[in-house]
Amino acid sequence: DVKVTQSSRYLVKRTGEKVFLECVQDMDHENMFWYRQDPGLGLRLIYFSYDVKMKEKGDIPEGYSVSREKKERFSLILESASTNQTSMYLCASRPRGTGTDTQYFGPGTRLTVL
Amino acid sequence: QKEVEQNSGPLSVPEGAIASLNCTYSDRGSQSFFWYRQYSGKSPELIMFIYSNGDKEDGRFTAQLNKASQYVSLLIRDSQPSDSATYLCAVRRTGNQFYFGTGTSLTVIP
Repeated sequence: DVKVTQSSRYLVKRTGEKVFLECVQDMDHENMFWYRQDPGLGLRLIYFSYDVKMKEKGDIPEGYSVSREKKERFSLILESASTNQTSMYLCASRPRGTGTDTQYFGPGTRLTVL
Repeated sequence: QKEVEQNSGPLSVPEGAIASLNCTYSDRGSQSFFWYRQYSGKSPELIMFIYSNGDKEDGRFTAQLNKASQYVSLLIRDSQPSDSATYLCAVRRTGNQFYFGTGTSLTVIP
């Protein structure tokens, strides 16, 4: 089974803090994604990565950055957390190729910024 | 116009009935279509995906795709209380461009 893990299930931070969210997958997937999920807005893509050190902006990259130094690990960084970044953050991975297009999601990190 | 639209519900059906969930999408070039189930406080899990026009069945679940009408649906037969969840429709345009609907909340009443 594909396993995607996230470093924390719940996180509480203060406004202005630098926040790191980590995601690790164990299936050698090339593609990894960061989404945030908010009520009434659904899942929105922040960034994705299609290879080590490669990244592409999603629909809402402002206020976020990412890092992918190893294939299995994709980090989301909030440089200076703000209250409007309070949300559920979901990491996903997906293999390259057309055999299966499925994304596999991690358990999520519920971030609260006070 | 949203990329993917779903009726937010809530949708309530009695146990044993058929639940019908609908989704429309805006980009005719979209290539593949997914239904995820999400329990409260949990992450989405894939139920089914479909690429071609027509029906695709997997156990109690049937996905239906009509590309001409830009419409995807999910039927759940013999609904069970454990099917109570939010169902997300997702559409892949090309490559890694995925778009999600806001989800339909389903409650199956025992």
